[in-house]
Amino acid sequence: GESVGLHLPTLSVQEGDNSIINCAYSNSASDYFIWYKQESGKGPQFIIDIRSNMDKRQGQRVTVLLNKTVKHLSLQIAATQPGDSAVYFCAEIGGSNYKLTFGKGTLLTVNP
Amino acid sequence: DGGITQSPKYLFRKEGQNVTLSCEQNLNHDAMYWYRQDPGQGLRLIYYSQIVNDFQKGDIAEGYSVSREKKESFPLTVTSAQKNPTAFYLCASSILPEARTEAFFGQGTRLTVV
Repeated sequence: GESVGLHLPTLSVQEGDNSIINCAYSNSASDYFIWYKQESGKGPQFIIDIRSNMDKRQGQRVTVLLNKTVKHLSLQIAATQPGDSAVYFCAEIGGSNYKLTFGKGTLLTVNP
Repeated sequence: DGGITQSPKYLFRKEGQNVTLSCEQNLNHDAMYWYRQDPGQGLRLIYYSQIVNDFQKGDIAEGYSVSREKKESFPLTVTSAQKNPTAFYLCASSILPEARTEAFFGQGTRLTVV
């Protein structure tokens, strides 16, 4: 069945380092993959998305990579800052019903 | 300001009661979604709607009901059939994928059964 999951539940990095958060998916029919950031007690915020016909997309300090061969998605955060500490979710949407499905999340902790 | 609004922020329910959570958006978005989030967990899809007067069950629809009578509104009713309703509920809306995928979330409603 459809599933979106994450390899690592927690990630701890030093301020200034680069962070990589990974995600595996199983639905080959998904059209878009999206990364969200959720701070404690708040709703998720959109970070970046990538269409299924792309391999890489860059934003401000973030890069999303899509490897359709192994059904793997990653979010790279450059020069990680304390304000980046949050839970990060990957999500996918696609098929004819536009169902937006989330993975379980990775808690990113940035140490000063 | 444009956005998506959930109310109330906190809600307490007695066992056996139905409660309705409000979700309103003025973004002219077609699709709306309801998710449940338990502590330390991800978001699980309850119901979603692509168009007025139509909606589909998500992964955990049992014990919940929705309506989509207006494009702007997608209320969620937590019925007495939901055995463990205490959770953080999130509503989202988005333009359908032909345009963009960014879903905007409300700030959530924290429901507690007392």
